[in-house]
Amino acid sequence: DVKVTQSSRYLVKRTGEKVFLECVQDMDHENMFWYRQDPGLGLRLIYFSYDVKMKEKGDIPEGYSVSREKKERFSLILESASTNQTSMYLCASSLVGGQGPPYEQYFGPGTRLTVT
Amino acid sequence: QKEVEQNSGPLSVPEGAIASLNCTYSDRGSQSFFWYRQYSGKSPELIMFIYSNGDKEDGRFTAQLNKASQYVSLLIRDSQPSDSATYLCAVLPLADGLTFGKGTHLIIQP
Repeated sequence: DVKVTQSSRYLVKRTGEKVFLECVQDMDHENMFWYRQDPGLGLRLIYFSYDVKMKEKGDIPEGYSVSREKKERFSLILESASTNQTSMYLCASSLVGGQGPPYEQYFGPGTRLTVT
Repeated sequence: QKEVEQNSGPLSVPEGAIASLNCTYSDRGSQSFFWYRQYSGKSPELIMFIYSNGDKEDGRFTAQLNKASQYVSLLIRDSQPSDSATYLCAVLPLADGLTFGKGTHLIIQP
């Protein structure tokens, strides 16, 4: 079974703090993704990575950065947390296309971040 | 601008009936289409994917794709109360992240 884990289920941070959200997958997937999910707005892609040290901006990258130093680990960084970054953050991973279901993404359990 | 549209619902269906969930997308270059189910407080889980025009069946679930009309649907036969969840349609235009619809909240009434 594919397993995607995230470092915390719930996190409370103060405005201006630097926040690290960690994601680890154990299936040797090349692609990893960070989404946020908000009521009424659905799931939105923040950043993704298709290889170690590679990253691409998604639809809403502002205020975020990412790091992928190892294949299995993809970190989302909030350089200076703000209240509008209060959200559910979901990490996902997938194989490169051509192996199994096309770009099927497996999700982690999510981190509910509250910025006060 | 990539867009995926779904009726937010709630869609209420009697137990044992067929639930029909619909999704339209704007990017004609989209290649793959996914249906995820998300229970409240949980992360999305994949239930169906489709990338060829026509129907694809898996147990009680059938995905239907019409690329000319830019339309994808999910049918759930013999609906059960455990099918009550939010169903997310997701579209993959190219080799990058999925674009998700906002989801349809489905309620199966016992």
